[in-house]
Amino acid sequence: GIQVEQSPPDLILQEGANSTLRCNFSDSVNNLQWFHQNPWGQLINLFYIPSGTKQNGRLSATTVATERYSLLYISSSQTTDSGVYFCAVESSGGYQKVTFGTGTKLQVIP
Amino acid sequence: DVKVTQSSRYLVKRTGEKVFLECVQDMDHENMFWYRQDPGLGLRLIYFSYDVKMKEKGDIPEGYSVSREKKERFSLILESASTNQTSMYLCASSFRSSPLHFGNGTRLTVT
Repeated sequence: GIQVEQSPPDLILQEGANSTLRCNFSDSVNNLQWFHQNPWGQLINLFYIPSGTKQNGRLSATTVATERYSLLYISSSQTTDSGVYFCAVESSGGYQKVTFGTGTKLQVIP
Repeated sequence: DVKVTQSSRYLVKRTGEKVFLECVQDMDHENMFWYRQDPGLGLRLIYFSYDVKMKEKGDIPEGYSVSREKKERFSLILESASTNQTSMYLCASSFRSSPLHFGNGTRLTVT
């Protein structure tokens, strides 16, 4: 099946710093999603981005499907950004199977 | 707003018991998914369903089965619970090729 790799696995930031999280996938996909899991375990969808660039406040995401990667940018980080960030891809061809990466654990310190 | 409800937040069962985890969504979504989450392993897909009575194996289906008799409900069944099935179980739903919406999760402990 499709492989989804995220980097870095762990990240510590000073409040106010910027960061870039990366997601690589091994095969063509129908779409890609980014999620944030808060410290209470709730998963929230941040972006649904099969290709191109989207922005939502301090967060933006870019997917280059032809090169099989996506990037999540966090600018002016805040302590509330802490948690785990996952990317998830829907395999192309057939059923809507959605595979997750192993995540990037982000800690933003004041 | 989409609501995905998992029947229990915490569950403790004994080895060998038959365990049912229930998930209900209120948005008429075609797709429903069961994942388990373990430290360092991310979310791994157990089973998914793209329609009533239809199911597909995910990446780790061994030891699990599912049931989808109605569109809004997707049940995960552990036929004979084992300690290595202690985990956080997450249910999600979506329309075709649209964002996933997750429930709050069920933390299952098998003793």
